[in-house]
Amino acid sequence: GDSVTQMEGPVTLSEEAFLTINCTYTATGYPSLFWYVQYPGEGLQLLLKATKADDKGSNKGFEATYRKETTSFHLEKGSVQVSDSAVYFCALSDGAGRNTGKLIFGQGTTLQVKP
Amino acid sequence: ETGVTQTPRHLVMGMTNKKSLKCEQHLGHNAMYWYKQSAKKPLELMFVYSLEERVENNSVPSRFSPECPNSSHLFLHLHTLQPEDSALYLCASSDSGGPYEQYFGPGTRLTVT
Repeated sequence: GDSVTQMEGPVTLSEEAFLTINCTYTATGYPSLFWYVQYPGEGLQLLLKATKADDKGSNKGFEATYRKETTSFHLEKGSVQVSDSAVYFCALSDGAGRNTGKLIFGQGTTLQVKP
Repeated sequence: ETGVTQTPRHLVMGMTNKKSLKCEQHLGHNAMYWYKQSAKKPLELMFVYSLEERVENNSVPSRFSPECPNSSHLFLHLHTLQPEDSALYLCASSDSGGPYEQYFGPGTRLTVT
């Protein structure tokens, strides 16, 4: 079945460092891909999305490109801030036309940014 | 109120209690979801409602009983829970027309004693 694999955390960076969180997926059909972020004590917030191959999603300095050839959707940011400390989830939609509205999430990657 | 709201935010209940979690969405969506988030485990999809009909039930124990009276409200009725049911319960909503991005509430932190 469809699945999402994220790099294990925690990822610990100094402020202004470059961030990459790897995400690869297995899916039938043509899913949409998402990154969500969860700050401590809160629910998940949609960070960015891409709906087809070669699309680049971007928001708040974060970006990710839908790579069909490598089945990847890696999250990047050029210069992280302490306020980016959170758990990041990669997810894919059910793309086989079944219209279930279902999302499949990776296990989450914790990012810790130190001043 | 905007977005997706959940009440209560925190709940402590004994194993013999009956309680309900409430979710309300103010986004005009027509699909709603319950997820369970436990420490060190992936998000678990529990139930999906689309146009007020349950379209998915992921082998959830019968001690969890969902109810969706209209497209804006979703409940999760709890009874005879076990300590391993302690978790963060998240509600989400989406437009079923695709590409299916979901909007989440802040969650209810449930502790079963």
